[in-house]
Amino acid sequence: DQQVKQNSPSLSVQEGRISILNCDYTNSMFDYFLWYKKYPAEGPTFLISISSIKDKNEDGRFTVFLNKSAKHLSLHIVPSQPGDSAVYFCAASPDRGSTLGRLYFGRGTQLTVWP
Amino acid sequence: EADIYQTPRYLVIGTGKKITLECSQTMGHDKMYWYQQDPGMELHLIHYSYGVNSTEKGDLSSESTVSRIRTEHFPLTLESARPSHTSQYLCASSEWGRGVEDYTFGSGTRLTVV
Repeated sequence: DQQVKQNSPSLSVQEGRISILNCDYTNSMFDYFLWYKKYPAEGPTFLISISSIKDKNEDGRFTVFLNKSAKHLSLHIVPSQPGDSAVYFCAASPDRGSTLGRLYFGRGTQLTVWP
Repeated sequence: EADIYQTPRYLVIGTGKKITLECSQTMGHDKMYWYQQDPGMELHLIHYSYGVNSTEKGDLSSESTVSRIRTEHFPLTLESARPSHTSQYLCASSEWGRGVEDYTFGSGTRLTVV
């Protein structure tokens, strides 16, 4: 059973507008959350993360919001740029600094930013 | 410059062949992982390692095996490839630091078994 869900397989946004990617999770033991970006024929690269003790984390154009009561997080990209076009994976982990740093991934959302 | 290397990037091989997917990292990370991803699907953990001589199976059952004889090397082997093994295989390593598990992924091996 999927513990991390990204229900939108694709999102299309005009350049300069805001992109909002959503992610839901079911495991209340998840301790921190990450977003990865993946271009074709490359491995995922880390984008931004948030700990369960926070509800917002910002890094330049990227902001992640966490709503623990709703078990929901979202990634906002403002302003969106054509170079942001990629697959975005939401990931979660119940292990903060423990022996195993395994992650649970969603299925990804293909973001397309058009000029 | 990549710190984790996977070879080959692409592999097309016949049914029944034995294959080894290579993964090496230069960061000295103790934790290493193999994930499998089919198109449009989530990454599934198939193997992980805490360190040398430590290997465990992940969530997704896999007929592949792994070994960890050296910290930097974590190869994955399929003794007899089948079409159902066709997928993308991603290797990763991680360490805990600055309040987050810092993951680095390789570029992946896209395996096709015909």
